[in-house]
Amino acid sequence: EAGVTQFPSHSVIEKGQTVTLRCDPISGHDNLYWYRRVMGKEIKFLLHFVKESKQDESGMPNNRFLAERTGGTYSTLKVQPAELEDSGVYFCASSQGQGLDTQYFGPGTRLTVL
Amino acid sequence: DAKTTQPPSMDCAEGRAANLPCNHSTISGNEYVYWYRQIHSQGPQYIIHGLKNNETNEMASLIITEDRKSSTLILPHATLRDTAVYYCIVRVWGQGAQKLVFGQGTRLTINP
Repeated sequence: EAGVTQFPSHSVIEKGQTVTLRCDPISGHDNLYWYRRVMGKEIKFLLHFVKESKQDESGMPNNRFLAERTGGTYSTLKVQPAELEDSGVYFCASSQGQGLDTQYFGPGTRLTVL
Repeated sequence: DAKTTQPPSMDCAEGRAANLPCNHSTISGNEYVYWYRQIHSQGPQYIIHGLKNNETNEMASLIITEDRKSSTLILPHATLRDTAVYYCIVRVWGQGAQKLVFGQGTRLTINP
């Protein structure tokens, strides 16, 4: 069974540019989560999808971040325009159900904003 | 949200049992204790979870005190590949989502 995959693995962009990160969850997992770790800080929750609907987006830092999950399969996280403080590692996780189902993480996308 | 406290770092000799403590004194009765680890440059990996009873799986054992205010993750025979940052997490319910709240974790180094 394939795990959670993320693309790209690394992205280097200039401040003010746009970047789109992609996450493919484990097949059949309705729940998809985005997390990030910035500047050596703790891993922080960003948002949670149940199928194509946003269940909880309380962790989204500001309106420069837009997450979508059209069709309830893969998800994208767009940062526009990117700022220096957005540099970090963005993780995606998926789980089959809600409740206390285990979340399985992808390898992350390392974003560097210059 | 229930908070967790872990030592920032620990060392353990290869082949020995690694015992990682975690304090969660404000845990609620229906909150579970989860353990994840992050090996360098990989995504967090699920290890084990429990509510009040001790749990064991192929990776580790979890010992939860009777008052549930603390727990210990045990890696019975640590190997070099167990070197990682270990996170003790209390599952919180927020707006219907089971988001994970990560702390600083414990950086465990297994020495040959």
